[in-house]
Amino acid sequence: EAAVTQSPRNKVTVTGGNVTLSCRQTNSHNYMYWYRQDTGHGLRLIHYSYGAGNLQIGDVPDGYKATRTTQEDFFLLLELASPSQTSLYFCASSDRGRDEQYFGPGTRLTVL
Amino acid sequence: GQQVQQSPTSLVLQEGENAELQCNFSTSLNSMQWFYQRPGGSLISVFYNPSGTKQSGRLTSTTVIKERRSSLHISSSQITDSGTYLCAMRGSALGRLHFGAGTQLIVIP
Repeated sequence: EAAVTQSPRNKVTVTGGNVTLSCRQTNSHNYMYWYRQDTGHGLRLIHYSYGAGNLQIGDVPDGYKATRTTQEDFFLLLELASPSQTSLYFCASSDRGRDEQYFGPGTRLTVL
Repeated sequence: GQQVQQSPTSLVLQEGENAELQCNFSTSLNSMQWFYQRPGGSLISVFYNPSGTKQSGRLTSTTVIKERRSSLHISSSQITDSGTYLCAMRGSALGRLHFGAGTQLIVIP
């Protein structure tokens, strides 16, 4: 029933490792977003997308790539993970023309 | 610079007391959203309130666009209201939300 799902829910990797975080939404929304949440910094936008094949840069994009393969699926890629990317990552979606965002359950990533 | 200021940073209430949470914005405001979050948990949308007043049960949100502020009122607080309340605003860029640092609410018996 959950409209925004994320996988994995927890991930541990080592410095320099490759990580892919997945997000799927069944809201039929056009917009999808990736955020990270850190103590002292709050929620910050990494990348977002208007639709399949589209990618927009957010406020903290360095070290991250993203790809929107379908309307439903949005991926966040960390190709050379660093300890500074240890964080709680959230995916969200929103409808075109409306701004109410719906969040997934989050992925806790630890980079050792 | 800081676009979204939330106050208070934290708040401790006795069960049954009321709470008033504030959010102020340094730039022009087009819409805003209030979220609730438990430690390590997901963000649950409490209100999407571009302007005016909305009520849902014991919660009331008021947004005044011209004054660049929004408030969340919790009446007759319950222990289960404990958690962090985040406000987020959208400026001129469609879809891009800017979040406040949150208000941590603790309700004690």
